[in-house]
Amino acid sequence: KQEVTQIPAALSVPEGENLVLNCSFTDSAIYNLQWFRQDPGKGLTSLLLIQSSQREQTSGRLNASLDKSSGRSTLYIAASQPGDSATYLCAVCTGANSKLTFGKGITLSVRP
Amino acid sequence: NAGVTQTPKFQVLKTGQSMTLQCAQDMNHEYMSWYRQDPGMGLRLIHYSVGAGITDQGEVPNGYNVSRSTTEDFPLRLLSAAPSQTSVYFCASSYDSNPSGNTIYFGEGSWLTVV
Repeated sequence: KQEVTQIPAALSVPEGENLVLNCSFTDSAIYNLQWFRQDPGKGLTSLLLIQSSQREQTSGRLNASLDKSSGRSTLYIAASQPGDSATYLCAVCTGANSKLTFGKGITLSVRP
Repeated sequence: NAGVTQTPKFQVLKTGQSMTLQCAQDMNHEYMSWYRQDPGMGLRLIHYSVGAGITDQGEVPNGYNVSRSTTEDFPLRLLSAAPSQTSVYFCASSYDSNPSGNTIYFGEGSWLTVV
């Protein structure tokens, strides 16, 4: 059974810092890996999707990498801002019908 | 373009009552799904559908029923509510079930409390 782990559960950093959020998964037979952002009381917003054949994806200040063989992904946030404060979840797709297995998320707080 | 719309936003039920959480999308997506989010458990898949008339079970289907009569709508029914079903429920959709990758769109969530 696929398990997705995100450690630590919470992180607090000063504004402007570059930071890395980690995600690990137990079964490397994945179709894709996605990073989501969730604001309090809101739904999830897709940030980046990395297909199994890709190594990384970039969107603005965000860069996500994927190492399937080691079962790891990282989300890099450059020059963090208070508006980046949210919970970040990673999810892997291991089913032919796009079923996602989610990590529990990392709650990020960026201090002004 | 409203995306994925869930109703109601908040609901309190008594044990044993039934209700339906509504989900509608206006993006002509084939794939729709329901997740529940519980503290310390992450999101878990309840049921999903790859197209009108086709549904299947996810990780935690017990106590829930779904149907997909149209492309746009995917309601989730709680047959006899239990306190263990107190949770936040999210509906999601994507263009199709191609695992190579589709952006998944989530609704805003439905907060359900069963007393």
